[in-house]
Amino acid sequence: GENVEQHPSTLSVQEGDSAVIKCTYSDSASNYFPWYKQELGKRPQLIIDIRSNVGEKKDQRIAVTLNKTAKHFSLHITETQPEDSAVYFCAASKGGLTGGGNKLTFGTGTQLKVEL
Amino acid sequence: NAGVMQNPRHLVRRRGQEARLRCSPMKGHSHVYWYRQLPEEGLKFMVYLQKENIIDESGMPKERFSAEFPKEGPSILRIQQVVRGDSAAYFCASSAGAGANVLTFGAGSRLTVL
Repeated sequence: GENVEQHPSTLSVQEGDSAVIKCTYSDSASNYFPWYKQELGKRPQLIIDIRSNVGEKKDQRIAVTLNKTAKHFSLHITETQPEDSAVYFCAASKGGLTGGGNKLTFGTGTQLKVEL
Repeated sequence: NAGVMQNPRHLVRRRGQEARLRCSPMKGHSHVYWYRQLPEEGLKFMVYLQKENIIDESGMPKERFSAEFPKEGPSILRIQQVVRGDSAAYFCASSAGAGANVLTFGAGSRLTVL
């Protein structure tokens, strides 16, 4: 099955700096790659996603890049703010291929801390 | 739209008791996924259901765990004879279809086994 690895496990940045989180996946059939943000004790919330027919996607201070050949994708947060502090999870799925629905395989998470 | 609703939010059980967790998907969503999150760990897939059908239960433990999504009513994750290792947050997510549709998560049910 799919295996998703995520690095780093913890990341501390100064407010205003950029943060980058990287993930690799194993199944070349995966075609959908979302990123979720989870604050302590809360639900995971989708912040951005990318599909395999696109190499990059941006939404204000957040961007995701995908390299299908290398099977890795990254989350970039610019101009970080204290409210960006949370755990971030990457995930991958085959998005409906083989009738498996959109079953997501998650990375192990990155604890991002934005310091004042 | 009330989003994905899970209850109870917190559940305490003693070893050997049964735990029932309920999930009502977003309006218009007919696909439900259950995930388990152990403390300070990631989300592990358990089961994927559509109305009256289990589509993928590859992440479910072979014993004591079961799930259903009846024609009427919420999806239910049932854990029989709970053990301390079952203590975790159980998240339900729903989507509108079987393709690469966005999964929206509920607030989770936090199970504590004493």
